[in-house]
Amino acid sequence: NAGVTQTPKFQVLKTGQSMTLQCAQDMNHNSMYWYRQDPGMGLRLIYYSASEGTTDKGEVPNGYNVSRLNKREFSLRLESAAPSQTSVYFCASRGTGFNEKLFFGSGTQLSVL
Amino acid sequence: ILNVEQSPQSLHVQEGDSTNFTCSFPSSNFYALHWYRWETAKSPEALFVMTLNGDEKKKGRISATLNTKEGYSYLYIKGSQPEDSATYLCARVTGKLIFGQGTTLQVKP
Repeated sequence: NAGVTQTPKFQVLKTGQSMTLQCAQDMNHNSMYWYRQDPGMGLRLIYYSASEGTTDKGEVPNGYNVSRLNKREFSLRLESAAPSQTSVYFCASRGTGFNEKLFFGSGTQLSVL
Repeated sequence: ILNVEQSPQSLHVQEGDSTNFTCSFPSSNFYALHWYRWETAKSPEALFVMTLNGDEKKKGRISATLNTKEGYSYLYIKGSQPEDSATYLCARVTGKLIFGQGTTLQVKP
C-alpha cells in the first residue's frame, strides 16, 4: 500500500527550464493538493483538485500549472522556473468530507539556480 | 482574523514541561480544523480532525480543544518528551485546506 507517491525526490533546474512534478495516490481519494514549504511559512497551497476533472487555485498559484490526469494522478508543472520557486513541494490527497485528513507524499526538493 | 495564524512561532521547553499553542482562524463559514505533526525530514501526519464547537480530542499526552464561535483551537502537550520535538501545523478546511505557519517545538532532555 504505497499511499501518495511523488517523483522526483530531488531536482536542480536552471532559471527558465521547465519540469513536471508527478504525484499519484492509490487510496481512491477524490481530492488532491500541491503545497510548497518555505522556512517560517508553513505549507502554502499552490493548486488543488476537488475531484477528477476539476482544478482550482490556492494561495500561491503564479508560475505553476496543474493537470488532474485521472483520479489517481495530479501533476504540477513549472513552465519557466525561477529562483523564487526553490522550495520543497508536497503532494497530498484526502477523501471526500471535511473530517477526512490529508495524506502526504514524501516531498520533492527543488533548487532553481 | 483573515487567515490561519499560529502562535508562538517557536517554543523551547525542558523535558517534562507541559506546553500549549494556539491556532486562530476566521470563525465564519467554519467546516473543520485539522492538526498535523511534522517531524524534520519527514512528511506531515494528521493528529486530530475537529468539526464541532467544544470538541476535545486526545491522543496519549497530546490533546486539542476547539472554539468555533471565537475562532481558535489549542493544542496541549502534557509532560513533553524529546520525541515530541516537531513542527505542529493547524489547517482550516473550507473546500481546500489552508495551513498556518506552524509552531516549532524543541524539547530539551
